[in-house]
Amino acid sequence: SYVLTQPPSVSVAPGQTARITCGGSDIGSKNVHWYQQKPGQAPMLVVYDDSDRPSGIPERFSGSNSGNTATLTISRVEAGDEADYYCQVWDSGSDPYVFGTGTKVTVL
Amino acid sequence: QVQLVQSGAEVKKPGASVKLSCKASGYTFTSYAIHWVRQAPGQWLEWMGYINTDNGNTKNSQKFQGRLTITGDKSASTAYMELSSLRSEDTAVYYCARDPTYYDFRSDVYRTKDYFDSWGQGTLVTVSS
Repeated sequence: SYVLTQPPSVSVAPGQTARITCGGSDIGSKNVHWYQQKPGQAPMLVVYDDSDRPSGIPERFSGSNSGNTATLTISRVEAGDEADYYCQVWDSGSDPYVFGTGTKVTVL
Repeated sequence: QVQLVQSGAEVKKPGASVKLSCKASGYTFTSYAIHWVRQAPGQWLEWMGYINTDNGNTKNSQKFQGRLTITGDKSASTAYMELSSLRSEDTAVYYCARDPTYYDFRSDVYRTKDYFDSWGQGTLVTVSS
């Protein structure tokens, strides 16, 4: 089955830029979606189809996808961005909906 | 506003079954598929299966074949997930989530967009003897 690999953690100072990667074989050929999950809460969609944002999501959240790596970028990081972030794709295999291993973003 | 409201926490013994509900409101129920995703303590998200709420078709993860049943009640705008033969490893928070559908004119079929744009609040299922 398809595997998505994320770094376990990313630390960033307020006001700086956080980049969270999601690695997968030829992931650039797939649509990548990103979710934010704060402690004790359900996940929330922050980017879909590589780089589109749902209504209400700040422009500070952006996405890109090419080759074997997709990236979620959070610009001008705020304390409220501290959360776990998961990438997700659809794959043609027997288990089509695949999540990444998750990345904990810590705001210093 | 869009809401997916899930049933309350459950405690079950190994070998038992659990049935959870997910009631949708604020949108047309049959315009979105409903997926079930679980998260064991300290772990990442794991997709379990989904239901096409319009025609009732389902697809489950191979991991849960034979143990998982997803159903829907259009009249109640509610989806259900039943997991049987529970074991301690099934202890997790279970989420329902909706997936937008669209009409593919070329193929004359409705397709899902394959992402989850709204989630229920989650239901904790604890399996313990």
